[in-house]
Amino acid sequence: GENVEQHPSTLSVQEGDSAVIKCTYSDSASNYFPWYKQELGKRPQLIIDIRSNVGEKKDQRIAVTLNKTAKHFSLHITETQPEDSAVYFCAATVRGGSQGNLIFGKGTKLSVKP
Amino acid sequence: EAQVTQNPRYLITVTGKKLTVTCSQNMNHEYMSWYRQDPGLGLRQIYYSMNVEVTDKGDVPEGYKVSRKEKRNFPLILESPSPNQTSLYFCASSQGQFSSGANVLTFGAGSRLTVL
Repeated sequence: GENVEQHPSTLSVQEGDSAVIKCTYSDSASNYFPWYKQELGKRPQLIIDIRSNVGEKKDQRIAVTLNKTAKHFSLHITETQPEDSAVYFCAATVRGGSQGNLIFGKGTKLSVKP
Repeated sequence: EAQVTQNPRYLITVTGKKLTVTCSQNMNHEYMSWYRQDPGLGLRQIYYSMNVEVTDKGDVPEGYKVSRKEKRNFPLILESPSPNQTSLYFCASSQGQFSSGANVLTFGAGSRLTVL
């Protein structure tokens, strides 16, 4: 079936450095790509998303880029802070039923060292 | 307050004893979904529902049942729980229509289930 691959599974950076998490998807019809952040002991929450008609989107220190030809998208976090430490999940829409479904990558555990 | 409510939040049970985890949303969302989260395996989808009386299998449906008799409720049923179903379970909902645009998926707080 359709899937979303996410890399790396763990990422450790120094405070102030940048972090990049990459995802690839298999369904060429995918058109919506959200990123969720899950802090320890909490539920996943949306931090940023991008649609297929846009190549890049920024929100303060986070940005997402999309390459539809290569079927991959990435999350970029600049000037990382300890509170950025969390598990990050990418997701993509896939064909399913009449309205599509959303599937997730396996997650990236980001650790930001002070 | 707009939210997805799961119950129970924590449960310890024994093998074979049927249990139901309830999920309710007050946002009139069409799409609802169940995930299990295990270390290193991310969020794996169990079942999802596009609307009332419409349910589909996700990646790991074995050992689970769901129903969607009302728009707001999407219970997860474990008819005969086994230890390999020990996990953290999340229910989530969205307005739907992922194929036509962006829709934020709202998660419940999670239900930690232990099967002995």
